[in-house]
Amino acid sequence: EPEVTQTPSHQVTQMGQEVILRCVPISNHLYFYWYRQILGQKVEFLVSFYNNEISEKSEIFDDQFSVERPDGSNFTLKIRSTKLEDSAMYFCASVLAQTYEQYFGPGTRLTVT
Amino acid sequence: DAKTTQPNSMESNEEEPVHLPCNHSTISGTDYIHWYRQLPSQGPEYVIHGLTSNVNNRMASLAIAEDRKSSTLILHRATLRDAAVYYCILRDWTAGNGNKLVFGAGTILRVKS
Repeated sequence: EPEVTQTPSHQVTQMGQEVILRCVPISNHLYFYWYRQILGQKVEFLVSFYNNEISEKSEIFDDQFSVERPDGSNFTLKIRSTKLEDSAMYFCASVLAQTYEQYFGPGTRLTVT
Repeated sequence: DAKTTQPNSMESNEEEPVHLPCNHSTISGTDYIHWYRQLPSQGPEYVIHGLTSNVNNRMASLAIAEDRKSSTLILHRATLRDAAVYYCILRDWTAGNGNKLVFGAGTILRVKS
């Protein structure tokens, strides 16, 4: 069964550093998402991406965050200058069409020290 | 997105059926009822969804009240692997290209052997 993959599984970085989290969505899917989950808290929506542009973003997704689909297969989330409060699990998801189910990756654990 | 209410936690014995309730009294006519679950240390996983009629798939059944103000996810024979957080989420199929998932706290299902 096709699956969403994410790399790395765990990233440790120092405050102020840039990080790029990578996702490979399912190949024929058209809509892509990033969510995050701070330890012990709810899964929170960050951004959705369709047709090579952001279709919706949350208040969390400020100027420090950006997304890109550089080569038609990868989907990346960049945090320009990480803060301690960015420590969380980051999940990528993809979906074939809007009303269909979203497929989530296993997540990247980001630890900012 | 319309709000859902779920019990904080439930417990079940292995091999017995589990009924996970969800109230969504402010549901609109264009809201689909989706269920996802999150196993420990994993990303969310789609379980089932429906609009008006009851639905069955290989994982579970979804029973939707006639007035659509509540629904019940039914796991026919709980296994230890079903221990997870279960989320009931409403999604408006007429929403724009974003169509994000809005997660609540969900119901923590514990399965006893």
